Amino acid sequence: NAGVTQTPKFRILKIGQSMTLQCAQDMNHNYMYWYRQDPGMGLKLIYYSVGAGITDKGEVPNGYNVSRSTTEDFPLRLELAAPSQTSVYFCASKGYGYTFGSGTRLTVV
Amino acid sequence: AQTVTQSQPEMSVQEAETVTLSCTYDTSESNYYLFWYKQPPSRQMILVIRQEAYKQQNATENRFSVNFQKAAKSFSLKISDSQLGDTAMYFCAFMTPFVQGAQKLVFGQGTRLTINP
Repeated sequence: NAGVTQTPKFRILKIGQSMTLQCAQDMNHNYMYWYRQDPGMGLKLIYYSVGAGITDKGEVPNGYNVSRSTTEDFPLRLELAAPSQTSVYFCASKGYGYTFGSGTRLTVV
Repeated sequence: AQTVTQSQPEMSVQEAETVTLSCTYDTSESNYYLFWYKQPPSRQMILVIRQEAYKQQNATENRFSVNFQKAAKSFSLKISDSQLGDTAMYFCAFMTPFVQGAQKLVFGQGTRLTINP
């Protein structure tokens, strides 16, 4: 089915480790987004992209990096994991409306 | 910057009852979009209903309807004939129109709704 695919679904990291959360969409959407959702809270924007090669910071970008080399893919990089980055991460793309991925639950210990 | 506030952290009603979830927002824009999203325990984000600010008529989708008060910056969600499957977190969200850039969503803190049998 067409949509937004996120991998992995779950991950446990040790403090200081690095990882990349993958996000891919097959709807040819130009707009893509990364949000984080802390327990019991709403989603907050980390980074977004309006097309291949163009990215910008959202509300909570510290500790993260992104790249957008193709229309389809928008990976999120955590360089030095910290406990404050324990959260659920959602990738989304936008055509007429938003389409969300199923999320990645990340725990940093 | 826009902000969205949901003042009810939790609500609980009996099956078949009607429940209203509150949402207020702050913006200086005159044209924008408002949404209600449902997040069940599966954590999937599901669009419930959408309202364009330039439309005076309140949006409806089957058992779900909104009361949009633009001057008061209020956007409440009414769920009629509530069902057990309506149990979820509900998020109110705001989005600026296309002409103002990347159309980022700004979310409220959420309301945890429980429908009891």
